[in-house]
Amino acid sequence: DAGITQSPRHKVTETGTPVTLRCHQTENHRYMYWYRQDPGHGLRLIHYSYGVKDTDKGEVSDGYSVSRSKTEDFLLTLESATSSQTSVYFCAISDPTSNQPQHFGDGTRLSIL
Amino acid sequence: GQNIDQPTEMTATEGAIVQINCTYQTSGFNGLFWYQQHAGEAPTFLSYNVLDGLEEKGRFSSFLSRSKGYSYLLLKELQMKDSASYLCAPGGVTTDSWGKLQFGAGTQVVVTP
Repeated sequence: DAGITQSPRHKVTETGTPVTLRCHQTENHRYMYWYRQDPGHGLRLIHYSYGVKDTDKGEVSDGYSVSRSKTEDFLLTLESATSSQTSVYFCAISDPTSNQPQHFGDGTRLSIL
Repeated sequence: GQNIDQPTEMTATEGAIVQINCTYQTSGFNGLFWYQQHAGEAPTFLSYNVLDGLEEKGRFSSFLSRSKGYSYLLLKELQMKDSASYLCAPGGVTTDSWGKLQFGAGTQVVVTP
């Protein structure tokens, strides 16, 4: 599916532990995004990247950090996970220079106990 | 920010037509996207409007009126597999924010036999 792989696909962890989610793309797209999806809220943007080492905050960035050391990988880190971060996390990529819409990875279901 | 309003749920019978409305408040955007999301799956791209008017793609069409802050997705000849959530998402204004989508909470379409 548009060359996007998210890992892990499922994770259960405890409050206070660090968690890193990985998004890997094979499309060489410049733009990558992390969203979370919760019932009643729809998809909300956490962080996005517009190039290697270029990132910016979305609307729900508190408690999350990201890194993009190479084009193909975009990492989302929860430094100290809280139960409110239990959610489904989606990575997306896009290439606006060719009018390519965003395509999404299959998602990571994260449960914080 | 952009307040995006969609109906929560719509029900229609197989073979019928359903129109999903989306209203938004934004100072500007490059384009408006529609995505389909089946339960437990990632959103998939359906349609995209840059200019005002109707874009037709097979059984799905999308309409945009920037002056009225309004878009709709038209699903024709409904099939059972069309039962899904449909997400309206205006994009950003600049090239860097083009894919920085803000999603509505989605409209759950239920197709009945």
